Amino acid sequence: GQNIDQPTEMTATEGAIVQINCTYQTSGFNGLFWYQQHAGEAPTFLSYNVLDGLEEKGRFSSFLSRSKGYSYLLLKELQMKDSASYLCAALDSNYQLIWGAGTKLIIKP
Amino acid sequence: GAVVSQHPSRVICKSGTSVKIECRSLDFQATTMFWYRQFPKQSLMLMATSNEGSKATYEQGVEKDKFLINHASLTLSTLTVTSAHPEDSSFYICSASEGGDTGELFFGEGSRLTVL
Repeated sequence: GQNIDQPTEMTATEGAIVQINCTYQTSGFNGLFWYQQHAGEAPTFLSYNVLDGLEEKGRFSSFLSRSKGYSYLLLKELQMKDSASYLCAALDSNYQLIWGAGTKLIIKP
Repeated sequence: GAVVSQHPSRVICKSGTSVKIECRSLDFQATTMFWYRQFPKQSLMLMATSNEGSKATYEQGVEKDKFLINHASLTLSTLTVTSAHPEDSSFYICSASEGGDTGELFFGEGSRLTVL
């Protein structure tokens, strides 16, 4: 079956760095997305990886290892506004998004 | 960037009535749109994939006769919740893809449905 695993909840301190991991098993693979979602709002696109390696966008970086079925989202210089749920989603061979349950990130002062 | 608009953002209806939610891609053509439902404290659940000019593909467990999806044009898809019941109260979100190599999805603002 198809499956996405990511931690349910993580806590970090303002100004610190946090890494949110995601492992996936899908029928075919056409890329992996990370989304940020604040409560009551639609998810916001953060990153898309289809090739192995690290992609950096400002304070956020996303990494993919296709051979390991593994990705992570790295958030640096954490701010209180980064408190949100972070969703990992893999695009399968039919271009369907397979969603993880999301990781709730709590930022403490 | 690309914008996807949903309407209405909030709707309250009586049990037994039908409600239509629109999803529009404002500055690009979307051959495929996706409809999701979000349950409290859970991730988005894909309900169906809407393809322009053809029938929608529903995920397992989603009643196609209850959640009618129409993709009449390259910029508009609609979700109609028929004979709504209180358990249908939820946050419904659509997304659309520009196509191309990235497959980036753009999400609507979401529609919160409350059935009394």
